[in-house]
Amino acid sequence: QVQLQQGGAGLLKPSETLSLTCAVYGGPFSGYYWNWIRQPPGKGLEWIGEINHSGSINYNPSLKSRVTISVDTSKNQFSLKLSSVTAADMAVYYCARVARSGSYPFDYWGPGTLVTVSS
Amino acid sequence: SSELTQDPAVSVALGQTVRITCQGDSLRSYDASWYQQKPGQAPVLVIYGKNNRPSGIPDRFSGSSSGNTASLTITGAQAEDEADYYCNSRDSSGNHVIFGGGTKLTVL
Repeated sequence: QVQLQQGGAGLLKPSETLSLTCAVYGGPFSGYYWNWIRQPPGKGLEWIGEINHSGSINYNPSLKSRVTISVDTSKNQFSLKLSSVTAADMAVYYCARVARSGSYPFDYWGPGTLVTVSS
Repeated sequence: SSELTQDPAVSVALGQTVRITCQGDSLRSYDASWYQQKPGQAPVLVIYGKNNRPSGIPDRFSGSSSGNTASLTITGAQAEDEADYYCNSRDSSGNHVIFGGGTKLTVL
């Protein structure tokens, strides 16, 4: 059974850099794209970006200037950095796996990390 | 196009059938996937591809599509189906992911 385990700081001050990790257990790391998705309180899902095991990356154009997604294949882990956070970045951040076929579904999700931005 | 449009809220009587729709130009090129999200929980995939259910998803959930519209149908809605439902697909370029705004389903 594939499990995604999230880590990282949940409380940030404005202008700081958000840093989260997602470790993958119980399944292959290659052959998939690994994604970050966020959900502000009471709002819908917003895709942040994705990376595969070889480092091929796609970003949401609206966040691209502030986002860095990286991968560590030795740990079956991928990471998210979002710079210069503001209150608008407060959200639950999810990592998720997507299969690169068919409708590209997100079939496994992490539990989510609530990120709060407050001075 | 980079948008998927869903009705914000839909209601259904217990045991009846409900259809939740998702519209967008990208759906002419890519199939939609559907997710169920209950309060405080991560989304769960319920339908993907033409009409595929992951293991463990009841067969009362089904999917269909026509033109630029994808639909999620729940046949015989149960109280536990009350949740937010999101559709998603790749955008027309294939390089980005887009989500619909979500539909809040109330089971009466």
